[in-house]
Amino acid sequence: QKEVEQDPGPLSVPEGAIVSLNCTYSNSAFQYFMWYRQYSRKGPELLMYTYSSGNKEDGRFTAQVDKSSKYISLFIRDSQPSDSATYLCAMSDRGSTLGRLYFGRGTQLTVWP
Amino acid sequence: DVKVTQSSRYLVKRTGEKVFLECVQDMDHENMFWYRQDPGLGLRLIYFSYDVKMKEKGDIPEGYSVSREKKERFSLILESASTNQTSMYLCASRPGQAGDTQYFGPGTRLTVL
Repeated sequence: QKEVEQDPGPLSVPEGAIVSLNCTYSNSAFQYFMWYRQYSRKGPELLMYTYSSGNKEDGRFTAQVDKSSKYISLFIRDSQPSDSATYLCAMSDRGSTLGRLYFGRGTQLTVWP
Repeated sequence: DVKVTQSSRYLVKRTGEKVFLECVQDMDHENMFWYRQDPGLGLRLIYFSYDVKMKEKGDIPEGYSVSREKKERFSLILESASTNQTSMYLCASRPGQAGDTQYFGPGTRLTVL
């Protein structure tokens, strides 16, 4: 079993829809949770960063972490065609100064006009 | 802004050739990483480095080696390229404290014929 599981999709939604992307994980030591966005033929870019449990909001994006369920989510409100990309979840544990991140396989999202 | 650059966006090599992929970061980051990304398999860690001349194997180091002679530069070497090393290669860097995130370069699309 991979340490981080993510449904690869693809996910296709109309413009304006609310999108929910999710990851589950098995390592209870994970404390830092990230979402990266990757456009086609580009490198991943950091979208959201959350420490421990709770919610974080940034514009149309909300990241949620439920450590009791080992489950993280990214919500996109009022989705736009420019949100079409692959979304990768990533996480690391508190003691990892070497910086190893554990990634999900990514969910491919298409928002059509 | 963090800047991570990779020497080539696209590269075509022949089986058996020695291939060098270069990565440079301009933010004095301690840690650097090499990944490959393949459809359906997500990001897989090849090697990482936590300091000059220091390196650690990732999940798939076979067929690869690395070099970090200067802090800002991390090279990935394919000693004898094979067709199954055709992939997107991504470099990342990270400051070096617990919880720091990774910053990615644009990627090198390598094709081995």
